[in-house]
Amino acid sequence: GDSVTQMEGPVTLSEEAFLTINCTYTATGYPSLFWYVQYPGEGLQLLLKATKADDKGSNKGFEATYRKETTSFHLEKGSVQVSDSAVYFCALRALGGSEKLVFGKGTKLTVNP
Amino acid sequence: EPEVTQTPSHQVTQMGQEVILRCVPISNHLYFYWYRQILGQKVEFLVSFYNNEISEKSEIFDDQFSVERPDGSNFTLKIRSTKLEDSAMYFCASTERRGAYEQYFGPGTRLTVT
Repeated sequence: GDSVTQMEGPVTLSEEAFLTINCTYTATGYPSLFWYVQYPGEGLQLLLKATKADDKGSNKGFEATYRKETTSFHLEKGSVQVSDSAVYFCALRALGGSEKLVFGKGTKLTVNP
Repeated sequence: EPEVTQTPSHQVTQMGQEVILRCVPISNHLYFYWYRQILGQKVEFLVSFYNNEISEKSEIFDDQFSVERPDGSNFTLKIRSTKLEDSAMYFCASTERRGAYEQYFGPGTRLTVT
């Protein structure tokens, strides 16, 4: 079945460091891909998405590119801030009409001043 | 800004007891979902609900689980006879239309079965 694998956390960085969180997927065809973020005490929020191969999703300085060759959707940010501390979830939604999201385990990011 | 709310934030129950987890989706949304995350595991889809019926469910969503929209605002998940392995964070989500890319999630209810 469809699945998402993302890098294990936790990840701890200093402010202004470069962030990469790896995500790879297994799915039939070309699913839609998402990054969700969960800040402490809040629900998961959509951070960015890409719906077809080679699309780049971006939001709040974060970027991810849909790479069909490597079935990957890595999250990057050039300069993290303390306020980026959260749990990040990679997810996919398969083709074919299903509404369900298939998630990875989540990666906890802590950014220190 | 509208948000999905869930109550309670933490529920402790004994094995074999029934629990009801409550969610209030965003008011104009029509599609509703439950997911769960067992500690250290992935967030897993349980069920989707539209027009007062289940539109999709996972293999996890067996006869012990049921969902209901009792009054046009609340959306509930009932577990009839809880097991230790039901201990997890349960997330409710909603969207305004089929195929919408963003699902809006609540903060979750942590269920602990002792």
